[in-house]
Amino acid sequence: EIVLTQSPGTLSLSPGERATLSCRASQSVSSSSLAWYQQKPGQAPRLLIYGASSRATGIPDRFSGSGSGTDFTLTISRLEPEDFAVYYCQQYGSSPRTFGQGTKLEIK
Amino acid sequence: EVQLVESGGGLVQPGGSLRLSCAASGFTFSSYSMNWVRQAPGKGLEWVSYIGSYSNTIYYADSVKGRFTISRDNAENSLFLQMNSLRAEDTAVYYCARPRSCNGGSCFDDYWGQGTLVTVSS
Repeated sequence: EIVLTQSPGTLSLSPGERATLSCRASQSVSSSSLAWYQQKPGQAPRLLIYGASSRATGIPDRFSGSGSGTDFTLTISRLEPEDFAVYYCQQYGSSPRTFGQGTKLEIK
Repeated sequence: EVQLVESGGGLVQPGGSLRLSCAASGFTFSSYSMNWVRQAPGKGLEWVSYIGSYSNTIYYADSVKGRFTISRDNAENSLFLQMNSLRAEDTAVYYCARPRSCNGGSCFDDYWGQGTLVTVSS
């Protein structure tokens, strides 16, 4: 199975700053089948990005995804207070689908 | 509005059984495959099981294969997870999730329920 490694484990930033989250796969993710989710405490995950770079319905354009092959990035251009949460990447290019361990984005 | 509401979680002893349900509304349930995904306390997400729209295709994670059974009732717009031979490591919040798209049984999900907590402990 494909192992996804996210970095950093924790990212401390201030509102208004730019956040860059990384997701590296142990082998190539076919067809850029990579999604990103946001999860806040006590809530279910929320789909942000699919196909490595397509925003899900209702997701603000400050969220963007990029990458291909084994290296993917989620960028939040200007952090809003509501963006502080845990972010997970997930590949669906091969079975079984697998998730990264998460990056916690915290307020500095 | 799409809604997924899980129920059936609780405290169970190791070796015991539990049946989770997920009531779906706001979409044509029979047109979608469905998934169960779990999250151990303080940990990340783990896919558990997938079922095709007419139960024609079923997949399980290796960690639950032979112990868990996924099923659905399209007439009742409901998804189920029968969990047997439960272990401490099955302790988690269990989410039902509706896929946006799948590659075989490997999906990404755009709608999730609120989850139901299963605790396996003596």
